[in-house]
Amino acid sequence: GAGVSQSPSNKVTEKGKDVELRCDPISGHTALYWYRQSLGQGLEFLIYFQGNSAPDKSGLPSDRFSAERTGGSVSTLTIQRTQQEDSAVYLCASSRDQTYNEQFFGPGTRLTVL
Amino acid sequence: GESVGLHLPTLSVQEGDNSIINCAYSNSASDYFIWYKQESGKGPQFIIDIRSNMDKRQGQRVTVLLNKTVKHLSLQIAATQPGDSAVYFCAEMGMNTGFQKLVFGTGTRLLVSP
Repeated sequence: GAGVSQSPSNKVTEKGKDVELRCDPISGHTALYWYRQSLGQGLEFLIYFQGNSAPDKSGLPSDRFSAERTGGSVSTLTIQRTQQEDSAVYLCASSRDQTYNEQFFGPGTRLTVL
Repeated sequence: GESVGLHLPTLSVQEGDNSIINCAYSNSASDYFIWYKQESGKGPQFIIDIRSNMDKRQGQRVTVLLNKTVKHLSLQIAATQPGDSAVYFCAEMGMNTGFQKLVFGTGTRLLVSP
């Protein structure tokens, strides 16, 4: 496909469990971003990857959150010991590079922590 | 700190009317602004952008106005259609740690009645 894809589309988990969310960016895009969107809210930046540079993790809310990007392409966002306040839609976006370029968003993963 | 906010959480218009969605930003150092449209269950979709060296930019049926003096951004949609119903976010590019981190407002819901 030509767009950003994310999986799963929905994830329901129990409090305390770990979850992994996947993002496949647009082929050739070197920049990848993760955002979190709580119900009725705007998007909160989480983490940014650019090429082989060290990621900018300044938006991660706690050390339970981590992300990896393998081979400069697919990224996985991991949330350990999930809490109810982690419930949100997690959105991934990619752009051609880190300059002023449009960010293309995936459809998101809706995470519900019971 | 950086913040981007919207004046109206919900805007209801009739089909064919012109719509104006407003946004205020606080970071006077920001130099790039984007409007996104988000339909239910989907990720944000780029509509139009503007750089701080411009005060107006037009697209197809959409116009973005930037007033740097009062740090205000607006999106004008001409001849609004039912398909324009969505949540609209303004976003500000913050030059944080050398990359373009999007700071989003909370969004305005546009409801278009036929």
